[in-house]
Parts: sequence; C-alpha cells; structure tokens
Amino acid sequence: DTAVSQTPKYLVTQMGNDKSIKCEQNLGHDTMYWYKQDSKKFLKIMFSYNNKELIINETVPNRFSPKSPDKAHLNLHINSLELGDSAVYFCAIGTSGGLRETQYFGPGTRLLVL
Amino acid sequence: SQQGEEDPQALSIQEGENATMNCSYKTSINNLQWYRQNSGRGLVHLILIRSNEREKHSGRLRVTLDTSKKSSSLLITASRAADTASYFCATVKGSARQLTFGSGTQLTVLP
Repeated sequence: DTAVSQTPKYLVTQMGNDKSIKCEQNLGHDTMYWYKQDSKKFLKIMFSYNNKELIINETVPNRFSPKSPDKAHLNLHINSLELGDSAVYFCAIGTSGGLRETQYFGPGTRLLVL
Repeated sequence: SQQGEEDPQALSIQEGENATMNCSYKTSINNLQWYRQNSGRGLVHLILIRSNEREKHSGRLRVTLDTSKKSSSLLITASRAADTASYFCATVKGSARQLTFGSGTQLTVLP
C-alpha cells in the first residue's frame, strides 16, 4: 500500500473557487507537510503540522489553510483560487523526533486554475 | 528564496558513465538529504548525510558534504537509463524538520 496518498490527482478549476486537496497516510508518522512545486520545479514548504503545533511558512497566503480531522489526514483548503496557485502540491510525512528524519512524499496533486 | 542552488541545472550522459551533481546551501544545517523525482511523480528519498559526516555511500550513490563550503555532491556511478529523473538536495534545520529544497538537477541518461 502507498504510504501517502493524495486526492484528487488532477484538479482543474476556475479563479475564485474554493477547493480542497486531501492527504492520507498509513505509516503513523506524527508530522505531515504540504509543499508547493511550481512550473520551474522549485519546491517550497507551505506547512508542517503535528498534534502539537502548526508551522506556517510566512510567505503562504492566508487563503491556504491546512485542516487535520485526525492523525492520518492533513487536508489543504484553498479559498478564492488565483491563477498563480497553479502548481503541483505534495503532501509528505515524517517524524518530529529521533534519528529518522527522512520524509515520504505523496504522488502530488496537479492544480490548474483557469 | 531557495535555500540551495544546484548545478548543473541539466545533465545529459551516456549509460554507464558517472553523473555528478552539486548543491550549495546558505545556513547551518542538521543534515542534508538527496531526493529523486521521476517525471510526474512524487519525491523519493535517496540518502541522508549528517552535518558531522563527510561522505556516505549507498549502492551506486556517493554523497559528500563540506560544511565549511556549505556544499554537497551526489555521484551516481555506472548510470542507467532508469536513473533519468530530477535530483534535489534538501537541508534540514531546527526541530521542525522542514525540508528546504535546492533548485534541482535534471539528469538524462541516454541508452
């Protein structure tokens, strides 16, 4: 089974709409992340979240908000979508402590805002 | 801005040759990691080197780290067509374990 899954894989929507991307993990890792990869393949951290704290990259607009219904899920909500939001969004999981510091990435959600 | 810069941006080699990619970063780090991204896929972790290590091997991969120069290199020996992918370095700093990625190197291995 895939450790990290995301839905949908592709999302095409109009400007101004509100959309959500779902992320689910089955490894029981305590920290989940959202990254944005732009058309030039630059990857940038958006959020990291565990049951203790949410760390937000200060450059992320407040139209983006992560929501975690339980430890296995971290969904990304985007309000009032803009053209510049078009990108690939990756969910990742990792551990917040110990020596195991690698991250496992989901397959990505390709968002296109028209 | 990106923490790290990678060079070259693109590299094309013949199967069997070695591929070397370099990464530079700007701040102190806990560790540095290399990831591979196949076209249209997510990132896959390859290898991690800690700030107190200088060299690490994993199969056909060799990673070096020079903290005085704030740079790392990834060497892939005896490359295969299946190694064709984008390769990213990523640094980890602090307790949040957030990865800060370099700009990536697109490697093409020609059969």
